[in-house]
Amino acid sequence: QVTLKESGPALVKPTQTLTLTCTFSGFSLSASGMRVSWIRQPPGKALEWLARIDWDDDKFYRRSLKTRLTISKDTSKNQVVLTMTNMDPVDTATYYCARTSGRDVNFFDSWGQGTLVTVSS
Amino acid sequence: DIQMTQSPSSVSASVGDRVTITCRASQDINRWLAWYQQKPGKAPNLLIYDASSLQSGVPSRFSGSGSGTEFTLTISSLQPEDFATYYCQQAKDLPFTFGPGTKVDIK
Repeated sequence: QVTLKESGPALVKPTQTLTLTCTFSGFSLSASGMRVSWIRQPPGKALEWLARIDWDDDKFYRRSLKTRLTISKDTSKNQVVLTMTNMDPVDTATYYCARTSGRDVNFFDSWGQGTLVTVSS
Repeated sequence: DIQMTQSPSSVSASVGDRVTITCRASQDINRWLAWYQQKPGKAPNLLIYDASSLQSGVPSRFSGSGSGTEFTLTISSLQPEDFATYYCQQAKDLPFTFGPGTKVDIK
């Protein structure tokens, strides 16, 4: 059974750096074709893809946020970490990690429960 | 970036109704489209991928069709547990983009 779970602070102040951890089980991120993405959803709004890390350590970022995002993985711990610098109130959202399984696959077949991050002083 | 639109933005329907949601892409995405269902306070759940393939465990009353720039999600007979928001997602190019959502609520 595949599971993912996000963890991190519920509240950050403007200009601070956010660090989120996705801890997963039921698959290995070192297996060919496996990928983990971060996706966020502001309250009452649509989903926005942020970043992805692949089994071979390739990394991809949303162009508009590229300078603020860093994604990394620790295969031994089954974790993917996302950092986002210079947080702003508009970054208030529920942040999800989600799995993609397959080399030519770009949809998300398993999601974490999400973690709400509020940016406020 | 590929822009995704959905119509309608909301629909009121009754149990047993047939519901159709349309998703349009700003450019040809072949059949690289997925549909998700999201209930309040929950993560999205994959329903359909590759425009028309039913994800394992998803009831057969859900179906998808289309290619190119226009796609549809159909719920053949709406059940109480289907009241939710539905999102399409293009899976052709990075950044992957989602539609704004269609809320299906009780009439």
